[in-house]
Amino acid sequence: GQQVMQIPQYQHVQEGEDFTTYCNSSTTLSNIQWYKQRPGGHPVFLIQLVKSGEVKKQKRLTFQFGEAKKNSSLHITATQTTDVGTYFCAGPVAGNNRKLIWGLGTSLAVNP
Amino acid sequence: DAGVIQSPRHEVTEMGQEVTLRCKPISGHNSLFWYRQTMMRGLELLIYFNNNVPIDDSGMPEDRFSAKMPNASFSTLKIQPSEPRDSAVYFCASSLVTSGGHWQFFGPGTRLTVL
Repeated sequence: GQQVMQIPQYQHVQEGEDFTTYCNSSTTLSNIQWYKQRPGGHPVFLIQLVKSGEVKKQKRLTFQFGEAKKNSSLHITATQTTDVGTYFCAGPVAGNNRKLIWGLGTSLAVNP
Repeated sequence: DAGVIQSPRHEVTEMGQEVTLRCKPISGHNSLFWYRQTMMRGLELLIYFNNNVPIDDSGMPEDRFSAKMPNASFSTLKIQPSEPRDSAVYFCASSLVTSGGHWQFFGPGTRLTVL
């Protein structure tokens, strides 16, 4: 079946270091969404990418959608303690735009 | 504008008891989703509604689980009887499906513990 894989599962960084998480889909996606969940919190929508090769930035966060629309990445420059949390990617189920397939997430820990 | 509201925030119950989780979606949103999150299985979609109609309940684990959406501003997820393996965080999310996108807004979740 359709799957979305994320790597790494966990990442520990020193504050100020960069961080990247990768998302790979078994099928071509019409769009990909990224969410952040703080410890003890709920997933919060960050961004949606739609176009092949699209790159979007939100301050220190850079999101990319692959040319084949099967992979994506989230890069954080100069991490801060406020970046701690789990980052999820999610893409629509083939033929059903409302239902999302979720990756298992990458948990980021930042040492001050 | 209020976000997705869920109640209760925490629920501790004993095995065999009925549990009802409640959700109020964001006003104007036309899709509602119930998820379960555990460390082992991550975020699992249980059921979703579109315009108050259940569309896909393939994620509902067993007949012990049921969900309703009697109107556009209220939904319930019921577990009867509850079992210890149902312990998890249950999230409700809503979205407005448009041509531009349909990202989901999550409620704060209900942390369920079944003893």
